[in-house]
Amino acid sequence: AQSVTQPDIHITVSEGASLELRCNYSYGATPYLFWYVQSPGQGLQLLLKYFSGDTLVQGIKGFEAEFKRSQSSFNLRKPSVHWSDAAEYFCAVGAYSGNTPLVFGKGTRLSVIA
Amino acid sequence: DTGVSQDPRHKITKRGQNVTFRCDPISEHNRLYWYRQTLGQGPEFLTYFQNEAQLEKSRLLSDRFSAERPKGSFSTLEIQRTEQGDSAMYLCASSSDGPSSYNEQFFGPGTRLTVL
Repeated sequence: AQSVTQPDIHITVSEGASLELRCNYSYGATPYLFWYVQSPGQGLQLLLKYFSGDTLVQGIKGFEAEFKRSQSSFNLRKPSVHWSDAAEYFCAVGAYSGNTPLVFGKGTRLSVIA
Repeated sequence: DTGVSQDPRHKITKRGQNVTFRCDPISEHNRLYWYRQTLGQGPEFLTYFQNEAQLEKSRLLSDRFSAERPKGSFSTLEIQRTEQGDSAMYLCASSSDGPSSYNEQFFGPGTRLTVL
């Protein structure tokens, strides 16, 4: 069965500092991996996705993520955080293709301080 | 606005009552998903449709829950005899089913259910 672990429930960073959110997955085959962001009162928005090829993927809002098969990880990074990045971030894995239900982690809440 | 819409956005009900939620997917999207998100958790899959066919149901979907997509467009999720444990955010997502190996799931804003 697929599973996703996000070890950090809550992270606080200073505006302008770098950010890394951790995600570990469990899946027997090649995973389809996603990062979503959820702001209060908003739906989930896709930041980026990985299927195959280059293991460093670029997303929207200046985010990137690196797939490391040996570590079963797909960590999200941003070099310089903006106050508007404060939100809940979810890592998710899909089986076979993205056209199947996703399995989400429990999320990491990001707070940004001045 | 051509995004996924859900109605109502908020619902407060008393235990034992029935509730129904509606989801309107992005037009031409033939896949529609329902997820449930409780406090402090990520979304959990409930069920999904391809056109009007319900392809899969999660074990989370007890017999009090039923979902339909009668004409392959909008979908409804009904919960009968609500329990306090049903309090959650119910999310709907849709995607196309084209030749691409992946079609992004677009999420609606959700319906927040509170069962008193």
